[in-house]
Amino acid sequence: EPEVTQTPSHQVTQMGQEVILRCVPISNHLYFYWYRQILGQKVEFLVSFYNNEISEKSEIFDDQFSVERPDGSNFTLKIRSTKLEDSAMYFCASSEEGGHPAYEQYFGPGTRLTVT
Amino acid sequence: SQKIEQNSEALNIQEGKTATLTCNYTNYSPAYLQWYRQDPGRGPVFLLLIRENEKEKRKERLKVTFDTTLKQSLFHITASQPADSATYLCAWVRGGYQKVTFGIGTKLQVIP
Repeated sequence: EPEVTQTPSHQVTQMGQEVILRCVPISNHLYFYWYRQILGQKVEFLVSFYNNEISEKSEIFDDQFSVERPDGSNFTLKIRSTKLEDSAMYFCASSEEGGHPAYEQYFGPGTRLTVT
Repeated sequence: SQKIEQNSEALNIQEGKTATLTCNYTNYSPAYLQWYRQDPGRGPVFLLLIRENEKEKRKERLKVTFDTTLKQSLFHITASQPADSATYLCAWVRGGYQKVTFGIGTKLQVIP
């Protein structure tokens, strides 16, 4: 069964450093997403991406964050200058269609980001 | 703004019993509610979707109801098994948007 994959599974970085989290969405999916989950808290939406541009973003997704689809398979989340409060599990997701809540989003296993 | 509220306390039930989890929403009735399962350190896994105009939806041992009068959705697992132990998330997607808004989740523990 096709699945979303993410690398690395765990990333440790120092405050102020840039990190890039990588995702390979399911191959025929058109919509891509990033979510984060701080330990013990809700899963929170960050951004959705379609047709090579951001289609929706939350207030969390400020200028420190960016997303890119550098080739036909990868989808990346970059945090330019990490803060301690960026420590969380980051989930990538993808869906065949978007803009309609009936379309299921498939989540990856997550990357645990630890900022020290 | 719309809020999704779940009982964040853990629910412990005996194997074979029916587990019932509650999701309440505030303000306007969401067009759709989704239920996900999340295991520790893993991403959410979609289970069921119910539309506002549907009273009930079933999938194998799972059943979801939607009561717009009570502003509530109930999620049932019948004949529960220890393998059903996980956190179950209620989620809302607004029509025309892609953002999924999750509740905090309810941790279910099925005791053998």
